[in-house]
Amino acid sequence: GQSLEQPSEVTAVEGAIVQINCTYQTSGFYGLSWYQQHDGGAPTFLSYNALDGLEETGRFSSFLSRSDSYGYLLLQELQMKDSASYFCAVRDEPGTYKYIFGTGTRLKVLA
Amino acid sequence: DAGVIQSPRHEVTEMGQEVTLRCKPISGHDYLFWYRQTMMRGLELLIYFNNNVPIDDSGMPEDRFSAKMPNASFSTLKIQPSEPRDSAVYFCASSYGRDEQFFGPGTRLTVL
Repeated sequence: GQSLEQPSEVTAVEGAIVQINCTYQTSGFYGLSWYQQHDGGAPTFLSYNALDGLEETGRFSSFLSRSDSYGYLLLQELQMKDSASYFCAVRDEPGTYKYIFGTGTRLKVLA
Repeated sequence: DAGVIQSPRHEVTEMGQEVTLRCKPISGHDYLFWYRQTMMRGLELLIYFNNNVPIDDSGMPEDRFSAKMPNASFSTLKIQPSEPRDSAVYFCASSYGRDEQFFGPGTRLTVL
């Protein structure tokens, strides 16, 4: 079957760096996306990786290793507002934009 | 742009009743997705459309669920009859042939 595994919860302090991992097992792979969702809110897009390596967008970076079926989201200079759930999502079919979402990682940032 | 618009934001209904959720995608977007989110099952794709045509409805849980997109600016997700296990947050998202999807605020459905 298809699965995306993420840690259920991560805790870190303000100003720190945190890494959220995502390991996937899917029938195909055509890209890995990350979304942020605050409690009661909608998911919002953070990043997308189709090729191996690191993509940087401000304080957030995302990494992909297709050979290891693995990616991570790196959040630097953590702020209280980063407390949210983070989802990885994999596009497993070509020619579509259909994604399978992981179970999500709840990040708690402490003062 | 106003973003993806969903209505109603909250719906409380009784088992057996028909429920209709509505979505207006971002103008110019050619993909529309319907998701369901629960604590137990996470975020699940129910169905998606491309240029108003349903492409994949393999995530629709039962025949009680149906979705339509009569034009580029409107879609509905209907549950008839509703059951308590349908209680969830339903999100509509749209995209313009890209991997970034824009989610609406969601409809929180409670079936008593």
